[in-house]
Amino acid sequence: NAGVTQTPKFQVLKTGQSMTLQCAQDMNHNSMYWYRQDPGMGLRLIYYSASEGTTDKGEVPNGYNVSRLNKREFSLRLESAAPSQTSVYFCASRRDPPGTDTQYFGPGTRLTVL
Amino acid sequence: GNSVTQMEGPVTLSEEAFLTINCTYTATGYPSLFWYVQYPGEGLQLLLKATKADDKGSNKGFEATYRKETTSFHLEKGSVQVSDSAVYFCALSEGNKLVFGAGTILRVKS
Repeated sequence: NAGVTQTPKFQVLKTGQSMTLQCAQDMNHNSMYWYRQDPGMGLRLIYYSASEGTTDKGEVPNGYNVSRLNKREFSLRLESAAPSQTSVYFCASRRDPPGTDTQYFGPGTRLTVL
Repeated sequence: GNSVTQMEGPVTLSEEAFLTINCTYTATGYPSLFWYVQYPGEGLQLLLKATKADDKGSNKGFEATYRKETTSFHLEKGSVQVSDSAVYFCALSEGNKLVFGAGTILRVKS
């Protein structure tokens, strides 16, 4: 099992450009998440999806959109990138209870917006 | 809302020293508590967890006990190694989401 995979690993954008971050999991998990990590602020939830076809806003959704393409894939789109979106982005997935509420994380995408 | 507060870092220790990283939380109800570790250039990995009061989570020599009376989940290790250098995150469950602390950088010198 690859677990949670993310592409790309690194990306540099100019202000106003758009891009999509891809995430896939092969653990048959129902729930998937997008976080951003900024120094001194821990991880903040952008969006999550409790099941295929559903998405919900997290703590910091402004400037982002998401698509739960199928059970495996959950993408994050920046329509018009801004320097404030420079961050490291992590995708995670979780198997539904009962049994565990542990989230499993991908390796991250380091995004720089100039 | 629910929140997690961790001690600020960086924490710098010599090899074989005792480690404590403090974590306290504010929550309604009785959430599960977690410690995640992030090694340089990698994603987060679950280190240990506890699901109810007085539970002790342990893994790789690390331990943490769920203390309801002090709303704490402090991470401890008796003898750290250089390979333990990483960022450590305390987190709690909030429904189907996690709430993270800011993270504590640990540096271990040989």
